[in-house]
Amino acid sequence: AQSVTQLGSHVSVSEGALVLLRCNYSSSVPPYLFWYVQYPNQGLQLLLKYTTGATLVKGINGFEAEFKKSETSFHLTKPSAHMSDAAEYFCAGGGLTGGGNKLTFGTGTQLKVEL
Amino acid sequence: EAGVAQSPRYKIIEKRQSVAFWCNPISGHATLYWYQQILGQGPKLLIQFQNNGVVDDSQLPKDRFSAERLKGVDSTLKIQPAKLEDSAVYLCASSLVLAGGPNNEQFFGPGTRLTVL
Repeated sequence: AQSVTQLGSHVSVSEGALVLLRCNYSSSVPPYLFWYVQYPNQGLQLLLKYTTGATLVKGINGFEAEFKKSETSFHLTKPSAHMSDAAEYFCAGGGLTGGGNKLTFGTGTQLKVEL
Repeated sequence: EAGVAQSPRYKIIEKRQSVAFWCNPISGHATLYWYQQILGQGPKLLIQFQNNGVVDDSQLPKDRFSAERLKGVDSTLKIQPAKLEDSAVYLCASSLVLAGGPNNEQFFGPGTRLTVL
C-alpha cells in the first residue's frame, strides 16, 4: 500500500535551534505533498504544500520544505525554533498511486521546544 | 470567513450506546470529509462527500458507522453501537474540490473528542 512515513514521533529542540521534521513517501508517481500543524484541542492547519514546479516550498510561520524525488522525501525545516512552534506536525500525500484522490497522513511528529 | 464548525467538542458515552456528530463546512465548499484520529496516529479518512453524494467510504465501518449529507451542506456522522476502540477525535474537513488535487486545500474543524467507557 502507498504510504507516508514520518521518522521520529517526538522531536525536541532548543529555542532558536534548527527544526527538522522528516517525511518520506512511497509512490512511483510524485504525489501532492502537504504539511499540517495541529495545536492542542484544535483542528489541522495547512503549513505548506507541494504540487508541481519549484521543489523548495515556503509556508507560514517561517517553515519550508523541499521535495526531493530521488530520496522520496519532503522534510520540513525552520531555521530558528520558537516556543510557539510546539505542536504536532503531520505530513500528508495526495494522489499517491492507488490512493485515488484522498489524503494519506503520516503518524505525526510531536515537536517540543525548550528554553 | 467562518471556518468549519463541529459539535459537540467533547462526548463521553458508555459502550453500546449511540452518538452523533455534526459538521457545518465552509460556505461554498462542495467536498466534505470525516476523519478518525486515534491517539498517536494520523487522521484516517472515513468518508468523503461531493455535494450530497458519497465519493469514498471504503474505510467506514458500515456495520456501526453511518454518515449523511442530505442537502449537500452540513453533515452528520453516527456511531451505533459504540465500541471502546471508537475512542478518538473525529475531524471534519471541507474543500472546494476533491482532495489531492494541486489547488486543493482541506480546512479542518476543531474536532469532536469521543471517549467510550
